[in-house]
Amino acid sequence: QSVLTQAPSASGTPGQRVTISCSGSSSNIGSNAVNWYQQLPGTAPKLLIYSNNQRPSGVPDRFSGSKSGTSASLAVSGLQSEDEADYYCAAWDGSLSGYVFGTGTKVTVL
Amino acid sequence: QITLKESGPTLVKPTQTLTVTCTFSGFSLSTSGEGVGWIRQPPGKALEWLILIYWNDDQRYSPSLRSRLTITKDTSKNQVVLTMINMDPVDTATYYCAHRRVDWTYGHDAYDMWGQGTMVTVSS
Repeated sequence: QSVLTQAPSASGTPGQRVTISCSGSSSNIGSNAVNWYQQLPGTAPKLLIYSNNQRPSGVPDRFSGSKSGTSASLAVSGLQSEDEADYYCAAWDGSLSGYVFGTGTKVTVL
Repeated sequence: QITLKESGPTLVKPTQTLTVTCTFSGFSLSTSGEGVGWIRQPPGKALEWLILIYWNDDQRYSPSLRSRLTITKDTSKNQVVLTMINMDPVDTATYYCAHRRVDWTYGHDAYDMWGQGTMVTVSS
Protein backbone atom coordinates (compact mmCIF):
# COMPACT_ATOMS: atom_id res chain seq x y z
CA GLN A 1 0.00 0.00 0.00
CA SER A 2 2.92 2.38 0.78
CA VAL A 3 4.30 4.12 -2.28
CA LEU A 4 7.62 4.86 -0.59
CA THR A 5 9.85 1.83 -0.18
CA GLN A 6 12.32 1.27 2.65
CA ALA A 7 14.39 -1.71 3.71
CA PRO A 8 12.67 -3.47 6.62
CA SER A 9 15.69 -3.39 8.89
CA ALA A 10 19.10 -1.93 9.49
CA SER A 11 21.59 -2.37 12.29
CA GLY A 12 24.88 -1.16 13.65
CA THR A 13 27.05 -1.14 16.72
CA PRO A 14 27.33 1.86 19.02
CA GLY A 15 29.30 4.65 17.40
CA GLN A 16 28.79 3.39 13.86
CA ARG A 17 27.04 5.21 11.05
CA VAL A 18 23.80 3.76 9.70
CA THR A 19 22.05 4.90 6.53
CA ILE A 20 18.40 4.30 5.71
CA SER A 21 17.13 4.70 2.16
CA CYS A 22 13.71 5.63 0.85
CA SER A 23 12.72 5.07 -2.75
CA GLY A 24 9.82 6.87 -4.38
CA SER A 25 8.81 8.35 -7.70
CA SER A 26 8.62 11.60 -9.60
CA SER A 27 5.24 12.46 -8.09
CA ASN A 28 6.43 12.33 -4.50
CA ILE A 29 10.15 12.44 -3.63
CA GLY A 30 11.05 13.62 -7.10
CA SER A 31 9.03 16.81 -6.79
CA ASN A 32 8.33 17.40 -3.10
CA ALA A 33 10.17 17.65 0.19
CA VAL A 34 11.03 14.53 2.18
CA ASN A 35 10.49 14.20 5.89
CA TRP A 36 11.72 11.57 8.32
CA TYR A 37 10.01 10.42 11.49
CA GLN A 38 11.40 8.42 14.39
CA GLN A 39 9.08 6.16 16.35
CA LEU A 40 10.49 4.79 19.58
CA PRO A 41 8.85 1.60 20.87
CA GLY A 42 5.35 2.24 22.18
CA THR A 43 5.37 5.96 21.42
CA ALA A 44 4.01 8.36 18.84
CA PRO A 45 6.17 9.31 15.86
CA LYS A 46 8.44 12.31 16.15
CA LEU A 47 9.52 14.59 13.31
CA LEU A 48 13.25 14.07 12.83
CA ILE A 49 13.99 15.75 9.49
CA TYR A 50 11.83 18.05 7.36
CA SER A 51 12.33 19.66 3.98
CA ASN A 52 14.87 16.99 2.98
CA ASN A 53 17.64 17.99 5.36
CA GLN A 54 16.37 20.34 8.08
CA ARG A 55 16.38 19.35 11.72
CA PRO A 56 13.71 20.63 14.10
CA SER A 57 14.95 22.24 17.26
CA GLY A 58 16.23 19.65 19.70
CA VAL A 59 17.13 16.97 17.17
CA PRO A 60 20.83 16.08 17.47
CA ASP A 61 23.05 16.80 14.50
CA ARG A 62 23.92 13.09 14.41
CA PHE A 63 20.82 12.83 12.25
CA SER A 64 21.05 14.10 8.68
CA GLY A 65 18.90 13.83 5.60
CA SER A 66 19.56 14.04 1.89
CA LYS A 67 17.68 13.64 -1.36
CA SER A 68 18.69 12.81 -4.89
CA GLY A 69 16.18 12.37 -7.70
CA THR A 70 13.45 10.03 -6.53
CA SER A 71 15.34 8.68 -3.52
CA ALA A 72 16.16 10.01 -0.09
CA SER A 73 18.39 8.91 2.76
CA LEU A 74 18.60 9.34 6.49
CA ALA A 75 21.99 8.94 8.11
CA VAL A 76 22.55 8.35 11.79
CA SER A 77 26.14 8.84 12.84
CA GLY A 78 27.57 7.94 16.22
CA LEU A 79 24.81 5.39 16.72
CA GLN A 80 23.49 5.20 20.27
CA SER A 81 21.29 2.67 22.03
CA GLU A 82 18.48 5.22 22.27
CA ASP A 83 18.39 5.40 18.47
CA GLU A 84 16.81 1.95 18.36
CA ALA A 85 13.47 2.72 16.76
CA ASP A 86 11.38 2.57 13.61
CA TYR A 87 12.12 5.24 11.03
CA TYR A 88 9.68 6.38 8.37
CA CYS A 89 10.19 8.61 5.37
CA ALA A 90 7.26 10.65 4.07
CA ALA A 91 6.40 13.13 1.36
CA TRP A 92 3.51 14.78 -0.38
CA ASP A 93 2.43 12.96 -3.53
CA GLY A 94 1.11 15.28 -6.18
CA SER A 95 -0.53 12.55 -8.23
CA LEU A 96 -2.41 11.16 -5.26
CA SER A 97 -2.96 14.59 -3.72
CA GLY A 98 -2.07 13.03 -0.43
CA TYR A 99 0.72 12.53 2.07
CA VAL A 100 2.48 9.19 1.82
CA PHE A 101 4.64 7.33 4.30
CA GLY A 102 7.36 4.82 3.66
CA THR A 103 7.18 1.18 4.67
CA GLY A 104 9.40 1.83 7.67
CA THR A 105 12.87 0.66 8.73
CA LYS A 106 13.58 -0.86 12.09
CA VAL A 107 17.00 0.13 13.37
CA THR A 108 18.65 -2.20 15.85
CA VAL A 109 21.69 -1.25 17.87
CA LEU A 110 23.77 -4.39 18.32
CA GLN B 1 4.09 24.72 23.33
CA ILE B 2 1.86 22.68 21.06
CA THR B 3 0.07 19.65 22.46
CA LEU B 4 -2.56 17.37 20.98
CA LYS B 5 -4.63 14.60 22.49
CA GLU B 6 -6.98 12.12 20.86
CA SER B 7 -10.11 10.76 22.48
CA GLY B 8 -12.75 8.33 21.38
CA PRO B 9 -14.04 4.78 21.70
CA THR B 10 -11.63 1.90 22.14
CA LEU B 11 -14.01 -0.62 20.57
CA VAL B 12 -16.25 -0.25 17.53
CA LYS B 13 -18.41 -2.89 15.88
CA PRO B 14 -18.12 -3.65 12.16
CA THR B 15 -20.27 -1.36 9.97
CA GLN B 16 -20.46 1.23 12.75
CA THR B 17 -19.16 4.79 12.50
CA LEU B 18 -16.02 5.86 14.33
CA THR B 19 -15.78 9.35 15.77
CA VAL B 20 -12.50 10.47 17.30
CA THR B 21 -11.73 13.92 18.64
CA CYS B 22 -8.43 15.75 18.69
CA THR B 23 -8.16 18.44 21.37
CA PHE B 24 -5.16 20.69 20.98
CA SER B 25 -3.46 23.70 22.53
CA GLY B 26 -0.63 26.02 21.64
CA PHE B 27 -2.03 27.16 18.30
CA SER B 28 -5.33 28.19 16.77
CA LEU B 29 -6.95 26.68 13.72
CA SER B 30 -8.29 30.12 12.90
CA THR B 31 -4.73 31.33 12.23
CA SER B 32 -3.54 31.41 8.63
CA GLY B 33 -1.33 28.50 7.68
CA GLU B 34 -2.37 26.15 10.44
CA GLY B 35 -3.53 22.59 9.82
CA VAL B 36 -4.27 19.35 11.65
CA GLY B 37 -4.01 15.91 10.14
CA TRP B 38 -4.93 12.37 11.09
CA ILE B 39 -2.64 9.39 10.66
CA ARG B 40 -3.27 5.80 11.69
CA GLN B 41 -1.12 2.77 12.37
CA PRO B 42 -2.40 -0.81 12.49
CA PRO B 43 -0.65 -2.97 15.08
CA GLY B 44 2.85 -3.83 13.89
CA LYS B 45 2.39 -2.01 10.60
CA ALA B 46 3.39 1.24 8.94
CA LEU B 47 1.89 4.68 9.30
CA GLU B 48 -0.95 5.64 6.97
CA TRP B 49 -2.02 9.24 6.37
CA LEU B 50 -5.77 9.78 6.34
CA ILE B 51 -6.82 13.39 6.11
CA LEU B 52 -5.87 17.03 6.71
CA ILE B 53 -7.88 20.15 7.48
CA TYR B 54 -6.52 23.67 7.10
CA TRP B 55 -7.40 26.86 8.95
CA ASN B 56 -9.59 27.94 6.00
CA ASP B 57 -11.54 24.64 5.97
CA ASP B 58 -9.70 23.39 2.92
CA GLN B 59 -9.29 19.62 3.19
CA ARG B 60 -7.14 16.88 1.73
CA TYR B 61 -8.09 13.22 1.77
CA SER B 62 -6.40 9.88 1.29
CA PRO B 63 -7.74 8.80 -2.11
CA SER B 64 -8.36 5.24 -0.94
CA LEU B 65 -10.45 6.31 2.06
CA ARG B 66 -12.03 9.51 0.79
CA SER B 67 -15.55 8.13 0.59
CA ARG B 68 -15.49 7.07 4.24
CA LEU B 69 -13.88 10.08 5.91
CA THR B 70 -15.18 13.37 7.22
CA ILE B 71 -13.23 15.98 9.14
CA THR B 72 -14.54 19.03 10.94
CA LYS B 73 -13.07 21.67 13.20
CA ASP B 74 -14.37 23.71 16.10
CA THR B 75 -12.03 26.64 16.55
CA SER B 76 -13.78 27.82 19.72
CA LYS B 77 -13.04 24.50 21.40
CA ASN B 78 -9.66 23.90 19.73
CA GLN B 79 -10.90 20.57 18.45
CA VAL B 80 -10.82 18.58 15.23
CA VAL B 81 -13.16 15.64 14.77
CA LEU B 82 -12.54 12.70 12.46
CA THR B 83 -15.45 10.53 11.37
CA MET B 84 -14.99 7.25 9.53
CA ILE B 85 -18.04 5.32 8.38
CA ASN B 86 -18.53 1.62 7.76
CA MET B 87 -15.74 0.42 10.03
CA ASP B 88 -14.13 -2.95 9.34
CA PRO B 89 -11.72 -5.09 11.36
CA VAL B 90 -8.91 -3.97 9.01
CA ASP B 91 -9.44 -0.46 10.38
CA THR B 92 -8.16 -1.60 13.76
CA ALA B 93 -5.32 0.79 14.48
CA THR B 94 -3.91 3.54 16.64
CA TYR B 95 -5.27 6.84 15.39
CA TYR B 96 -3.05 9.89 15.75
CA CYS B 97 -3.78 13.54 15.20
CA ALA B 98 -0.85 15.79 14.39
CA HIS B 99 -0.06 19.45 13.84
CA ARG B 100 0.99 20.30 10.32
CA ARG B 101 4.13 22.39 10.37
CA VAL B 102 3.31 25.81 8.95
CA ASP B 103 4.95 26.10 5.55
CA TRP B 104 3.49 27.99 2.60
CA THR B 105 5.60 26.10 0.09
CA TYR B 106 3.59 23.56 -1.88
CA GLY B 107 4.64 19.99 -1.19
CA HIS B 108 6.44 20.84 2.05
CA ASP B 109 3.99 19.15 4.39
CA ALA B 110 5.38 17.83 7.64
CA TYR B 111 3.83 16.97 10.98
CA ASP B 112 5.88 18.47 13.78
CA MET B 113 3.81 17.56 16.83
CA TRP B 114 1.76 14.45 17.44
CA GLY B 115 -0.78 13.31 19.97
CA GLN B 116 -0.19 10.15 21.96
CA GLY B 117 -2.69 8.25 19.81
CA THR B 118 -5.84 6.35 20.59
CA MET B 119 -6.16 2.63 19.89
CA VAL B 120 -9.37 1.60 18.17
CA THR B 121 -10.35 -2.03 17.79
CA VAL B 122 -13.02 -3.05 15.33
CA SER B 123 -14.67 -6.26 16.41
CA SER B 124 -18.09 -7.71 16.94
